[in-house]
Amino acid sequence: DSGVTQTPKHLITATGQRVTLRCSPRSGDLSVYWYQQSLDQGLQFLIQYYNGEERAKGNILERFSAQQFPDLHSELNLSSLELGDSALYFCASSKGGVNEQFFGPGTRLTVL
Amino acid sequence: AQSVTQPDIHITVSEGASLELRCNYSYGATPYLFWYVQSPGQGLQLLLKYFSGDTLVQGIKGFEAEFKRSQSSFNLRKPSVHWSDAAEYFCAVVTGGYNKLIFGAGTRLAVHP
Repeated sequence: DSGVTQTPKHLITATGQRVTLRCSPRSGDLSVYWYQQSLDQGLQFLIQYYNGEERAKGNILERFSAQQFPDLHSELNLSSLELGDSALYFCASSKGGVNEQFFGPGTRLTVL
Repeated sequence: AQSVTQPDIHITVSEGASLELRCNYSYGATPYLFWYVQSPGQGLQLLLKYFSGDTLVQGIKGFEAEFKRSQSSFNLRKPSVHWSDAAEYFCAVVTGGYNKLIFGAGTRLAVHP
């Protein structure tokens, strides 16, 4: 158990819908990261937050957005969902600076 | 652009045999390197990391990795594989100051009894 929690574990929805994925970091970690794992793209970095502020962006679509709240939990919002958005979405957390990241169990999103 | 290459998509070894998983990175400066393992249906677990210092690093579950700057490599090794090591292994690099991980495509390890 990494100490990072993600909910829900599984999410099945239809094209065009909007979903929210939630992540709680390890106690004491200020940074939260979101990654997408798909068969064709592999593991890709989406976005990083540090203590409530966006720190870095990767290959995140404009339809996707995220935020980190004062209690440090984070949410990833995916809207206007397409079939290709079906993937495993991981949250990770770390202390500040360059440091190892600890991953949650992931949320498997299926878009039908 | 920075990248990580894992040349072997699938590897099969017999239980008790030694293992080496290859990883090459492309990055101009000194990288921060990681190996993660993902068991079926699970998240990623950190096996080991290299930031600086001794180029041979020890990790959990009996794994070790060696950083070779001249070869831009960070290969993962284990002297004797157990059936429970069957999983997918990812090499990753952190570049720049933002701690974002760039992953290789992964190597799927199968272990024969």
